[in-house]
Amino acid sequence: SQQGEEDPQALSIQEGENATMNCSYKTSINNLQWYRQNSGRGLVHLILIRSNEREKHSGRLRVTLDTSKKSSSLLITASRAADTASYFCATDAGTGNQFYFGTGTSLTVIP
Amino acid sequence: DGGITQSPKYLFRKEGQNVTLSCEQNLNHDAMYWYRQDPGQGLRLIYYSQIVNDFQKGDIAEGYSVSREKKESFPLTVTSAQKNPTAFYLCASSIKGPNNSPLHFGNGTRLTVT
Repeated sequence: SQQGEEDPQALSIQEGENATMNCSYKTSINNLQWYRQNSGRGLVHLILIRSNEREKHSGRLRVTLDTSKKSSSLLITASRAADTASYFCATDAGTGNQFYFGTGTSLTVIP
Repeated sequence: DGGITQSPKYLFRKEGQNVTLSCEQNLNHDAMYWYRQDPGQGLRLIYYSQIVNDFQKGDIAEGYSVSREKKESFPLTVTSAQKNPTAFYLCASSIKGPNNSPLHFGNGTRLTVT
């Protein structure tokens, strides 16, 4: 079964607004990662947060992790039309040898 | 430039035929992975390999086979036993396993079986 699940499934916002998407997972993890996928392309790694970290920033991206709630959020500030893509969370489920991906959030940024 | 190359981008086959998808990386990564992506289902792991000449089944290995004879190459064969092979296939690699090691993806092969 899927380890991670993103929420919402789809999100549509105006350019300049912030976009927040959430990820819930089922088991303990060593780290959680967020990826972006443009239509018909491979995934691109955005950010990795370790289980002992609570928040991490990278440019316009802010990721939080709450291991007690088994959840993470990805915030994209000041969104641009080029941010239009699907966003996936991935965890190792504590196994150390596999990644498990959620079903993704489809983000549309309207110019 | 270092990266992962998947070929071909589009592949069409008749039902009952085996087909092999190519994946090559020049990142010097030890671990390689094959995922299948279907609409609305996210990515599901087919096979992974952490070292040359060794590989393990993922969650949906039935009807697929792999080999890892070279560090750079991890081809995936979709056999006629795979009941629903039409999908988008993604190959990925990482320096080691998933612990603190992000995945690098190729741009995928879209397989259509009729």
